[in-house]
Amino acid sequence: GAGVSQSPRYKVAKRGQDVALRCDPISGHVSLFWYQQALGQGPEFLTYFQNEAQLDKSGLPSDRFFAERPEGSVSTLKIQRTQQEDSAVYLCASSSHRVSYNSPLHFGNGTRLTVT
Amino acid sequence: ILNVEQSPQSLHVQEGDSTNFTCSFPSSNFYALHWYRWETAKSPEALFVMTLNGDEKKKGRISATLNTKEGYSYLYIKGSQPEDSATYLCAPPGAWGGKLIFGQGTELSVKP
Repeated sequence: GAGVSQSPRYKVAKRGQDVALRCDPISGHVSLFWYQQALGQGPEFLTYFQNEAQLDKSGLPSDRFFAERPEGSVSTLKIQRTQQEDSAVYLCASSSHRVSYNSPLHFGNGTRLTVT
Repeated sequence: ILNVEQSPQSLHVQEGDSTNFTCSFPSSNFYALHWYRWETAKSPEALFVMTLNGDEKKKGRISATLNTKEGYSYLYIKGSQPEDSATYLCAPPGAWGGKLIFGQGTELSVKP
């Protein structure tokens, strides 16, 4: 498994439930990004880690969203008290370099979250 | 916040047609421009990372050009095949770090 792995692939949550989405980046990749993609839109930035440090969380839409990467590898995106507007595909991507200006992102397949 | 525009939003072509689409981005503070292809039920895949004005990159039947002074990039597909059907995304890095700012994409459908 050399690629970025995300789980679960699909998640259905009732409004108000908490969910946790997991991302396993490519081994050794320093940078890790979370994006949210709503239907018909391009991916929207949520947050960025360099190793275990969360360097940018400006895209998190509310304080219900929380992300962590405690050991600099696996990352978890947690959404508390889910709302219908949280329904989207959540993409994780990793990069081998500290700054991804020149190095491409490697994406996982995404988690499709549906809040009912 | 960067404004990244892609056009057209969707495109339907016949197998064998050549096609192109556009990505527009602010020309100031340019760092790089990424192109990705996202097929249904798969993960987005990097096509090109372009950094220099006038750059032209090619991968099989797909090529891209870059004009950083006027803030646009073109993606060309020669002799489209059904397997080219996908959403094509462009993304420059944001001004305050390495995060990529994506356009809404161009959805290409190639009919056999």
